[in-house]
Amino acid sequence: GAVVSQHPSRVICKSGTSVKIECRSLDFQATTMFWYRQFPKQSLMLMATSNEGSKATYEQGVEKDKFLINHASLTLSTLTVTSAHPEDSSFYICSAEAFGKKAEAFFGQGTRLTVV
Amino acid sequence: AQSVSQHNHHVILSEAASLELGCNYSYGGTVNLFWYVQYPGQHLQLLLKYFSGDPLVKGIKGFEAEFIKSKFSFNLRKPSVQWSDTAEYFCAVNAGTGGFKTIFGAGTRLFVKA
Repeated sequence: GAVVSQHPSRVICKSGTSVKIECRSLDFQATTMFWYRQFPKQSLMLMATSNEGSKATYEQGVEKDKFLINHASLTLSTLTVTSAHPEDSSFYICSAEAFGKKAEAFFGQGTRLTVV
Repeated sequence: AQSVSQHNHHVILSEAASLELGCNYSYGGTVNLFWYVQYPGQHLQLLLKYFSGDPLVKGIKGFEAEFIKSKFSFNLRKPSVQWSDTAEYFCAVNAGTGGFKTIFGAGTRLFVKA
């Protein structure tokens, strides 16, 4: 149980285009989902906290107009990187907190975004 | 604000050696503590967690961690490492009962020589 699936696992896009990454909790309801970014050989940096049915809370320094987060249902959150630039190339990871499983988050497999 | 500090960025051990990875956090209230492992090319997996109760927590694959509240520490230990333990280890903390962000340490890259 408690499986989180991210799609796509890898994506290459051209500069200026937008890319959508999906994060799904497959066998549980996730009231809260988190989006992280991981640079090579570095730790996970929290980008935003997403609560179902409400606006995401962004961490300081993260552009909310560039990284659009939508958490429309209890099993799906999406991150859209708008007008992508090469410096947006990174590994993006989502995690979902299971309703009733206090404070424990389950992680997706990540999405490697390359902007060319 | 919460923060997590991992003392060792790189550790190299021989098989059968004992392991201890340091983790300190800063937060004055009640915290939940985690250790995650990321094997090469794989996604994060939970090794163990502490919410409350016995401060000595046992996790998967022979790992354990001890929560010492007075030292704001949650060090990870394993008595005898194996080559397959080569991975990156992340300490993480969140505060509260749910819906709160989890903050990660910088990670410790462990390499075990066969």
